Amino acid sequence: ILNVEQSPQSLHVQEGDSTNFTCSFPSSNFYALHWYRWETAKSPEALFVMTLNGDEKKKGRISATLNTKEGYSYLYIKGSQPEDSATYLCAFVGGTSYGKLTFGQGTILTVHP
Amino acid sequence: DTEVTQTPKHLVMGMTNKKSLKCEQHMGHRAMYWYKQKAKKPPELMFVYSYEKLSINESVPSRFSPECPNSSLLNLHLHALQPEDSALYLCASSQDLSGETQYFGPGTRLLVL
Repeated sequence: ILNVEQSPQSLHVQEGDSTNFTCSFPSSNFYALHWYRWETAKSPEALFVMTLNGDEKKKGRISATLNTKEGYSYLYIKGSQPEDSATYLCAFVGGTSYGKLTFGQGTILTVHP
Repeated sequence: DTEVTQTPKHLVMGMTNKKSLKCEQHMGHRAMYWYKQKAKKPPELMFVYSYEKLSINESVPSRFSPECPNSSLLNLHLHALQPEDSALYLCASSQDLSGETQYFGPGTRLLVL
């Protein structure tokens, strides 16, 4: 059973704060790490697909880094806004099951105005 | 158009009923997925279709029967379900099975009485 862990489980921040959360995954047999943003009653929205050790990706105020050797990825949100409130999920793809995403439990972010 | 549509949005069924969930995408994707998400848990993969053929079955009970009639459509036929099968059923699609971004629908909320 693959162990994909996210921390913290939930986070409350004030508008304008910057925040980050962690996804840890098996460091062996790595193929890709996905980040998704999931607002209540909507479809999960893809943020990033990361494949290379040391990769950094950015989309607006959101960025992510990847360390495959130690098995972790960080997601950063700069200047959080209330509309950033959502569940952020990471998903691990192993080297022999390219179609299979194994999700972490998610981090629930609430940004207070 | 990066939309994956799912119908119905909500479904209530008895344990003796037969029903079907439908998923559709028009992005030309050749891989399609069914996930199950129970409350406060991450999505769990059920089935993967690649080029209209079943590629992965995650040991799902036979009361769930997937079908991919063409490259744009994915169905999930339900028969003799149990109350513990109540969950959100998510469909997703991707270009192929290369570990790339999966695009999710909003899900069907299923309640089995």
